Amino acid sequence: SQQGEEDPQALSIQEGENATMNCSYKTSINNLQWYRQNSGRGLVHLILIRSNEREKHSGRLRVTLDTSKKSSSLLITASRAADTASYFCATDLGITPLVFGKGTRLSVIA
Amino acid sequence: GAVVSQHPSWVICKSGTSVKIECRSLDFQATTMFWYRQFPKQSLMLMATSNEGSKATYEQGVEKDKFLINHASLTLSTLTVTSAHPEDSSFYICSARNAGGHNQPQHFGDGTRLSIL
Repeated sequence: SQQGEEDPQALSIQEGENATMNCSYKTSINNLQWYRQNSGRGLVHLILIRSNEREKHSGRLRVTLDTSKKSSSLLITASRAADTASYFCATDLGITPLVFGKGTRLSVIA
Repeated sequence: GAVVSQHPSWVICKSGTSVKIECRSLDFQATTMFWYRQFPKQSLMLMATSNEGSKATYEQGVEKDKFLINHASLTLSTLTVTSAHPEDSSFYICSARNAGGHNQPQHFGDGTRLSIL
């Protein structure tokens, strides 16, 4: 079964609002990564957060990691129509391939 | 940044045809590459791990004789869908991880949409 589970499965917001996506996982990890996928395209790496880190920022993106709760969140601030995509979390257990969640489909309405 | 090139981006062919998809890491060496399959509105399903210079490791339920993987160099892995049938139609995505060790992101190709008529 998949390691990561994103929540919500779909999210629709107005341009300018913030979007928050959550990811839960089951086992200990080396790191957790967030990816973005535009329709019909490959995945683009957004942020990698290591197991000993709690928060990381990159531009309008903010990722948190709570290893005690085995959860992570991705916050996109001041969303834009161009942020419309599917967002996946993936857990890195070290020696095995990344395990992807089911993804959150984000729609930002202009 | 690291770039992975996947080719072709779109293939339409007749049932029974074999189709080869290439995955290249353009500016880094990748001892390991991964092949995924993705159905519409679903997540990525790992098919196999491609190891340079050795046999690929296939996930449970993936037919190794159907999906041939070759990883002959540190920058190229190929996936050949042999005798493709309509049920093989899907979006196939490759990724590569820099050989630089742990805590490295995977870099993805843009995917290949395979349509078997």
